[in-house]
Amino acid sequence: AQTVTQSQPEMSVQEAETVTLSCTYDTSESDYYLFWYKQPPSRQMILVIRQEAYKQQNATENRFSVNFQKAAKSFSLKISDSQLGDAAMYFCAYTGANSKLTFGKGITLSVRP
Amino acid sequence: EAGVAQSPRYKIIEKRQSVAFWCNPISGHATLYWYQQILGQGPKLLIQFQNNGVVDDSQLPKDRFSAERLKGVDSTLKIQPAKLEDSAVYLCASSLGPGGSYEQYFGPGTRLTVT
Repeated sequence: AQTVTQSQPEMSVQEAETVTLSCTYDTSESDYYLFWYKQPPSRQMILVIRQEAYKQQNATENRFSVNFQKAAKSFSLKISDSQLGDAAMYFCAYTGANSKLTFGKGITLSVRP
Repeated sequence: EAGVAQSPRYKIIEKRQSVAFWCNPISGHATLYWYQQILGQGPKLLIQFQNNGVVDDSQLPKDRFSAERLKGVDSTLKIQPAKLEDSAVYLCASSLGPGGSYEQYFGPGTRLTVT
């Protein structure tokens, strides 16, 4: 079975600084997708960024980028120029052949003004 | 484009009572998901529908939970009888199709408290 591990329960970053959120996963599949989701206090979950395992190039979406290390099964999220609106819970998630999303436990990110 | 709608937003019941949640997915989305999110944890998939058929219900406690998606659009999730450990947020999500190439869109969730 696939597992997703987020070992840091919380992190804090100064506004305008850069922060990296860590995630590791375990799978025997070769073709899969990895995601980072953001869940603000209002609880509506939204997709931040997606990475396809067969693509070597790391995904980027404006201030958000990932460092995908397939051999190490590591998938970290980097947030540049942090903003107050980035404060939320962030979940790393995996989906493979069965299309079932498996989430990590999440990390609470706070942004200091 | 309207998002995924869920109701009610909050529900408080006593243990052994029954409760039902409703979800209206984004128009045209064939795949619908129900997740359970216990406080401090990530969402856990309960059931996945493709149109009006069940694709995966392996983590649905079938002795007390049931779900249906009539006509392949709206869906209801029912708990009967509820237990204290069912206290959680129940999230509904939908996507155009199954698999990671299709983005899942989440609703606001229903927060259930069982006393």
